[in-house]
Amino acid sequence: GDSVTQMEGPVTLSEEAFLTINCTYTATGYPSLFWYVQYPGEGLQLLLKATKADDKGSNKGFEATYRKETTSFHLEKGSVQVSDSAVYFCAPRGSARQLTFGSGTQLTVLP
Amino acid sequence: DAGVTQSPTHLIKTRGQQVTLRCSPKSGHDTVSWYQQALGQGPQFIFQYYEEEERQRGNFPDRFSGHQFPNYSSELNVNALLLGDSALYLCASSFSGAMGGTEAFFGQGTRLTVV
Repeated sequence: GDSVTQMEGPVTLSEEAFLTINCTYTATGYPSLFWYVQYPGEGLQLLLKATKADDKGSNKGFEATYRKETTSFHLEKGSVQVSDSAVYFCAPRGSARQLTFGSGTQLTVLP
Repeated sequence: DAGVTQSPTHLIKTRGQQVTLRCSPKSGHDTVSWYQQALGQGPQFIFQYYEEEERQRGNFPDRFSGHQFPNYSSELNVNALLLGDSALYLCASSFSGAMGGTEAFFGQGTRLTVV
């Protein structure tokens, strides 16, 4: 079945630091790729997506590029803010049309 | 647009009891998926409903069952509750258009505690 490996957390950064959260996946077919964010006590919010190779998804300063040759979808942000503190999930959606999640990466940004 | 709504938000049940959780999808969406998220873990896929039928199922026992209604809303039922069923239950909706469907939008979840 599909699987995803994310960078182990927790990750602690100072405000305005550069963020990278690594994500690699295995999936059936030609998957779509998603990053979701979860704030404490809430459900998941879609952060960005990419549906084909070399597509770059972007939203709120976050970016991720669909790398088919390395089966990766790393999340980056040039300058994080305290409000970015949350848990981030990478999720492929393969031919089974279901999202597959890893354990997530907890990000804490300090002022 | 109210987005995906789930009810109730919190629930406490006793071991052995049965529970029903409800989900209304985002307007225009026809597919509903359910996920279980244990504390500190990522969501695990339970099943997906489309056209009132279970289309996909994850690795969950038959104690977990569901239903989708003609208006696309959905219920998740869990029988014979175990302590290990305590988790956040998330509902996600999407539209099954071309190319595998649109992105999934999640509700706020139902926090189930089994005592």
